[in-house]
Amino acid sequence: DGGITQSPKYLFRKEGQNVTLSCEQNLNHDAMYWYRQDPGQGLRLIYYSQIVNDFQKGDIAEGYSVSREKKESFPLTVTSAQKNPTAFYLCASSVDRLVGQPQHFGDGTRLSIL
Amino acid sequence: GQQLNQSPQSMFIQEGEDVSMNCTSSSIFNTWLWYKQDPGEGPVLLIALYKAGELTSNGRLTAQFGITRKDSFLNISASIPSDVGIYFCAGQKTGTASKLTFGTGTRLQVTL
Repeated sequence: DGGITQSPKYLFRKEGQNVTLSCEQNLNHDAMYWYRQDPGQGLRLIYYSQIVNDFQKGDIAEGYSVSREKKESFPLTVTSAQKNPTAFYLCASSVDRLVGQPQHFGDGTRLSIL
Repeated sequence: GQQLNQSPQSMFIQEGEDVSMNCTSSSIFNTWLWYKQDPGEGPVLLIALYKAGELTSNGRLTAQFGITRKDSFLNISASIPSDVGIYFCAGQKTGTASKLTFGTGTRLQVTL
């Protein structure tokens, strides 16, 4: 089945530790995105990538980093500089970077602090 | 970053009732999308709207792209228990590399 796979489903971070969330898609989509969702709130954009080897900061990029070495993969690292990392993280992809292409989402990773 | 105003924030309805929710913005969008999110899962696309005034249906769901391009509406007819979840609107603007601006969500609960 084609889709977006996020792993792990649940992740725990210790103080001062970096953790990496995985996002893989087999939809052959050019564009990929990372969002953060806090309880009772909408989605806020962390980073996005329109094409391989290119990515841009979203609205809340501080304390996060990404890479896009392969078309199908867009991992997100939550660094120790992110002081409030507890949230639900969602990865999405769309066919390309043009307006009008809906984004499709993975099932998320819930990150908590130990 | 901007978030769209979505109302109502939550709704409690009885099975069989119709539901209406809306999303408004101070700026113009070229595409409106409606998503549904179940607990612990990612949002699933319900309906996409591409033209001002467009009315599109998906089963019991109907959504409209406002003629001012600053709002959108979602209606659910004859609600059933599996309609429970959070409904999000999202807008896209030209020249923003398909970035989405999300609404704050409408939480729908259905009683039997």
